[in-house]
Amino acid sequence: GAVVSQHPSRVICKSGTSVKIECRSLDFQATTMFWYRQFPKQSLMLMATSNEGSKATYEQGVEKDKFLINHASLTLSTLTVTSAHPEDSSFYICSAFTGGLLAKNIQYFGAGTRLSVL
Amino acid sequence: DAKTTQPPSMDCAEGRAANLPCNHSTISGNEYVYWYRQIHSQGPQYIIHGLKNNETNEMASLIITEDRKSSTLILPHATLRDTAVYYCIEGRGTASKLTFGTGTRLQVTL
Repeated sequence: GAVVSQHPSRVICKSGTSVKIECRSLDFQATTMFWYRQFPKQSLMLMATSNEGSKATYEQGVEKDKFLINHASLTLSTLTVTSAHPEDSSFYICSAFTGGLLAKNIQYFGAGTRLSVL
Repeated sequence: DAKTTQPPSMDCAEGRAANLPCNHSTISGNEYVYWYRQIHSQGPQYIIHGLKNNETNEMASLIITEDRKSSTLILPHATLRDTAVYYCIEGRGTASKLTFGTGTRLQVTL
């Protein structure tokens, strides 16, 4: 299947600092990527939809000024957690949609980034 | 909220077939049934998807009832590495979000 690379896999930061997470589609172009968050023992919750060349669409309750999303190219979307606080500690996962026809309309997921804010 | 319902947990002996059910009674005519699994501390892994016909690939088989209100994911010979949470999700097959429910925690045992 298609490969989605997410970096870093784990990050520990101090409270008040900003953290950037990268999501890359390695062997296909993705006009749309998604960012999810998962707290321990819970399911994935969609945070935002990232569209190449336009503003991201955020889910209700997700602060767009705190979780900055940039989708500057067809293979890269970034999520920046600004002024991180301990309650932002979570598992962040991105996904990219392959598109139709031979690409088979599948969302592939990255391996996730575990963020720990001290 | 997720529109599919799955049993919270299942056990399966290694080497046996694992049959994971999913109800999606309100699925729309143009929505696919997608199956993903999540092994602990990893991102979800795509398994298979289908619209109305049964599907098979190298990982699993997907059996969809004729009325499309339910489906079953079949892992023909479960191994310990198949222990994971399995999610059944309705999706339009377009660049639209996937809504994850709580899934089925499959435990494969010796």
